[in-house]
Amino acid sequence: AQTVTQSQPEMSVQEAETVTLSCTYDTSESDYYLFWYKQPPSRQMILVIRQEAYKQQNATENRFSVNFQKAAKSFSLKISDSQLGDAAMYFCAYRSTPNFGNEKLTFGTGTRLTIIP
Amino acid sequence: KAGVTQTPRYLIKTRGQQVTLSCSPISGHRSVSWYQQTPGQGLQFLFEYFSETQRNKGNFPGRFSGRQFSNSRSEMNVSTLELGDSALYLCASRRDRGDGYTFGSGTRLTVV
Repeated sequence: AQTVTQSQPEMSVQEAETVTLSCTYDTSESDYYLFWYKQPPSRQMILVIRQEAYKQQNATENRFSVNFQKAAKSFSLKISDSQLGDAAMYFCAYRSTPNFGNEKLTFGTGTRLTIIP
Repeated sequence: KAGVTQTPRYLIKTRGQQVTLSCSPISGHRSVSWYQQTPGQGLQFLFEYFSETQRNKGNFPGRFSGRQFSNSRSEMNVSTLELGDSALYLCASRRDRGDGYTFGSGTRLTVV
């Protein structure tokens, strides 16, 4: 079974600064998807960024980028120019590909990010 | 384009009762998944339905069940409620296999 580990329960960053959230995972599969989701107080899980394991290039979405190290099974999220609206719980998640059958999301325990004005 | 709609947003039930939660996916999405979120266990997969068939099931007791209708709307039922069932229940939909999930805002269930 796959596992996802987020070792930082809480992080804080000054507004406009850069912060990196860590995530490691364990799997025996060679192809899979990795995600970062954001959950603000509104409770809705919002997709921040997605990475397909077969792609070596790190995904980027505006101020959000990842550092995907497949061999190390590491998938960190970098948030640049942090804004007050970035304050939320951030979850790292793993998903198998359709070829492997079960496409459920396996989540880490989350990192609570606080933005300091 | 409407998002994933979950009703009700809040629910208080008494131990031993049963409850039904509803999820309306994004139009055109055929798959609906359910997740339970608690402070102690985090986010855990309950089940996924695709075109009215349960495709995958998580490690939850038989008190947790679900179904999907022909219009892709889904309901989740929990019978004989226990205090430990208090949680945020999240629904997510997607168009097809391999696609990403869009989540709703969840139903907060409190069992007293």
